[in-house]
Amino acid sequence: GQSLEQPSEVTAVEGAIVQINCTYQTSGFYGLSWYQQHDGGAPTFLSYNALDGLEETGRFSSFLSRSDSYGYLLLQELQMKDSASYFCAVHPGSARQLTFGSGTQLTVLP
Amino acid sequence: DAGVTQSPTHLIKTRGQQVTLRCSPKSGHDTVSWYQQALGQGPQFIFQYYEEEERQRGNFPDRFSGHQFPNYSSELNVNALLLGDSALYLCASSFARGGEQYFGPGTRLTVT
Repeated sequence: GQSLEQPSEVTAVEGAIVQINCTYQTSGFYGLSWYQQHDGGAPTFLSYNALDGLEETGRFSSFLSRSDSYGYLLLQELQMKDSASYFCAVHPGSARQLTFGSGTQLTVLP
Repeated sequence: DAGVTQSPTHLIKTRGQQVTLRCSPKSGHDTVSWYQQALGQGPQFIFQYYEEEERQRGNFPDRFSGHQFPNYSSELNVNALLLGDSALYLCASSFARGGEQYFGPGTRLTVT
């Protein structure tokens, strides 16, 4: 089976840096994705890691350690609009279904 | 270039009824996946369609069925609705060879 664990809530202030961790246990692993979802909205793709290391996309970075079954999403220079739920999701195989964590609710305070 | 579209946006049904949800994938995409998202939870995979056939299925009962049309659009059908089927139903499209999945805005289904 598959299971992913991530914190349920994180709070930070505008301009700060926040890290959202994700640990996973899966029967197959092809990569780890991160999605952002605002209340009532669709999940929006943020980043994808298939290999160990750091991927940077603007203010967002994502890290993967396959040997530790661990990844994180790093958000820098937080803005109010970053308040949303963030999900890590495992790809058990190429072009296959995503298995999502329960999500981390990020609240950015002024 | 239109993204993934879904219809309807909201739906209210009674227990025991049947419902059909629709999805049009992002232009160029040939694979459609359906997910169920309960309040406060992550999306749960229902099934995936490619070349008009169900390619993979998650842990959902046979009451959940689907279809993909030659133009790659897809339908999700749920029979004998239960209160527990109340959720946001998300459609995601992608290329069969892999890559990022693009999600639609979802259909909010309420079963009373």
